Amino acid sequence: EAQVTQNPRYLITVTGKKLTVTCSQNMNHEYMSWYRQDPGLGLRQIYYSMNVEVTDKGDVPEGYKVSRKEKRNFPLILESPSPNQTSLYFCASSFGGPNTEAFFGQGTRLTVV
Amino acid sequence: QQPVQSPQAVILREGEDAVINCSSSKALYSVHWYRQKHGEAPVFLMILLKGGEQKGHEKISASFNEKKQQSSLYLTASQLSYSGTYFCGTGTKNTGNQFYFGTGTSLTVIP
Repeated sequence: EAQVTQNPRYLITVTGKKLTVTCSQNMNHEYMSWYRQDPGLGLRQIYYSMNVEVTDKGDVPEGYKVSRKEKRNFPLILESPSPNQTSLYFCASSFGGPNTEAFFGQGTRLTVV
Repeated sequence: QQPVQSPQAVILREGEDAVINCSSSKALYSVHWYRQKHGEAPVFLMILLKGGEQKGHEKISASFNEKKQQSSLYLTASQLSYSGTYFCGTGTKNTGNQFYFGTGTSLTVIP
């Protein structure tokens, strides 16, 4: 089944404790993105990647890191999480860049206390 | 650069029509529309790539006015299953491969 898989689905952590949210797609898609969703603000792009070893900042990259060492995986790293990073996070992938249909993972609800 | 959607929320009775608008301050080269049910991931509805393009998906259709940097989503004869939050998404010219989602429109269809 074609899908984007995120883990974990829920995470509660403490300020400053490094964490990684994994994202994997099995559709051989070139373009992968991370978004955060906050009430009233919609989805905002954090980082995106056009291909292996190619990553770029989105609209709200501060406090986040990503890597794209393999085509299928695009982990999101929070090296020192803060409470303002409490949010719902989505990973998405698409075949040919931002002009093609995006497939979303099921989301990760992160709470930083 | 985030597109602005209007209205923010709308409540319809089954069978009524609705229009959701998406407006950008930047020149666009694509507009996507997605629907998100509560607690779920957004699901793709359609994409418009050319100015003047119109597309349909069952009783849901959309238009793209490239000159005005606007898109509209039309829902006709609404059904209970149409309830959810609708997002437009835009690829803008001169911003590389970034993608911007609108702030969302909450649509509730009641019997």
